[in-house]
Amino acid sequence: QQQVKQSPQSLIVQKGGISIINCAYENTAFDYFPWYQQFPGKGPALLIAIRPDVSEKKEGRFTISFNKSAKQFSLHIMDSQPGDSATYFCAAHYGGSQGNLIFGKGTKLSVKP
Amino acid sequence: NAGVMQNPRHLVRRRGQEARLRCSPMKGHSHVYWYRQLPEEGLKFMVYLQKENIIDESGMPKERFSAEFPKEGPSILRIQQVVRGDSAAYFCASSPQAASNTEAFFGQGTRLTVV
Repeated sequence: QQQVKQSPQSLIVQKGGISIINCAYENTAFDYFPWYQQFPGKGPALLIAIRPDVSEKKEGRFTISFNKSAKQFSLHIMDSQPGDSATYFCAAHYGGSQGNLIFGKGTKLSVKP
Repeated sequence: NAGVMQNPRHLVRRRGQEARLRCSPMKGHSHVYWYRQLPEEGLKFMVYLQKENIIDESGMPKERFSAEFPKEGPSILRIQQVVRGDSAAYFCASSPQAASNTEAFFGQGTRLTVV
């Protein structure tokens, strides 16, 4: 199944709070899981990525948690800031030479001051 | 070091016209990917090209759409006889290797409006 299911569709968090976005997949052939951040009118920018042999990866305020057995991964944004307000996409790469990414439908995050 | 350059940023076409979208990858990048984003949707893969070769076009509609990445010059996504349903943002990404091995950088997109 070539799908990545992302939730929630939208999220409102107070400044300083934790934002959590979840993604689930079916295809065990996926071998690379990036998260992208997109501001209105801009292209997606890579935020953080993980491979399935690692259960957690942290970069600054951003952490990916990866549960291989459950086929789920999530993005945690600690100490959320108004500048984090954007749309976040999880994605998965299908192993092999094709090179393309399968994207979730996105989560629109609003961080209230 | 310029990023992925797409032009035009905005393109308006009447139904039945042709749309040509250009993408210049980052310097040193020989892998190019085109994605389409409909409003409130994620990005959908269209085509993956290396210089002068189409590697994977499994996401391309069977008719009216074509892509190329010539030896010299930008990659071109061409949509012939556009229809209203083609209105979307089209993003190009590039990478020095296949996207599983390294980050793919996205351009700012071309927003196509068909009237």
